[in-house]
Amino acid sequence: QVQLVQSGAEVKKPGASVKVSCKSSGYTFTGYYMHWVRQAPGQGLEWMGWINPKSGGTNYAQKFQGRVTMTRDTSISTAYMDLTSLTPDDTSVYFCARDGGGTSESKYWGQGTLVTVSS
Amino acid sequence: DIQMTQSPSTLSASVGDRVTITCRASQSISPWLAWYQQKPGKAPKLLIYKASSLESGVPSRFSGSGSGTEFTLSISSLQPDDFATYYCQQYKSSPLTFGGGTKVDIK
Repeated sequence: QVQLVQSGAEVKKPGASVKVSCKSSGYTFTGYYMHWVRQAPGQGLEWMGWINPKSGGTNYAQKFQGRVTMTRDTSISTAYMDLTSLTPDDTSVYFCARDGGGTSESKYWGQGTLVTVSS
Repeated sequence: DIQMTQSPSTLSASVGDRVTITCRASQSISPWLAWYQQKPGKAPKLLIYKASSLESGVPSRFSGSGSGTEFTLSISSLQPDDFATYYCQQYKSSPLTFGGGTKVDIK
């Protein structure tokens, strides 16, 4: 069965960076795009971008351009999302989500990683 | 960017009620619309993709319809497990965008 297991909660100071991991199992990692979505406390869902694990190609939302980097390590079927220059507004739960294969609906989701940014 | 507007933002209903949630896009997105259900503290769950295709394992009381810029999610007979927040998402073009959500609570 498909599983996406994310790294644990993080607490960061303003200006710092965070790297969240998403380990995949139960399917061919390079066969499906991985999306990153975040959700601030009590708020809605916000799409951040995707990575093509086969090629390493990425597509980021304009809002995060210059601050986000999505990478992958195919040897361990793991995707990463690195966000820099954190502010308290970045306090959110960050989700990885695998697409449907050829289409971009998010079929499988990780459990989420809470990133808290506070001085 | 394509804007997605969901209505209502909150819906109070009883078990057994038929419930309909609407999602409007700022431009045509057919058929690239998905619906998700989210419960507190959990990841979203895919219910419907390509506007009307039911995801495997999702009860048949859920259905999606619509085209162009207007779409609906219907629950034919609301069950206790269905009290949650529902989101639409367009995936016709980048950036992918979500509606603001509809919270379905108990009347």
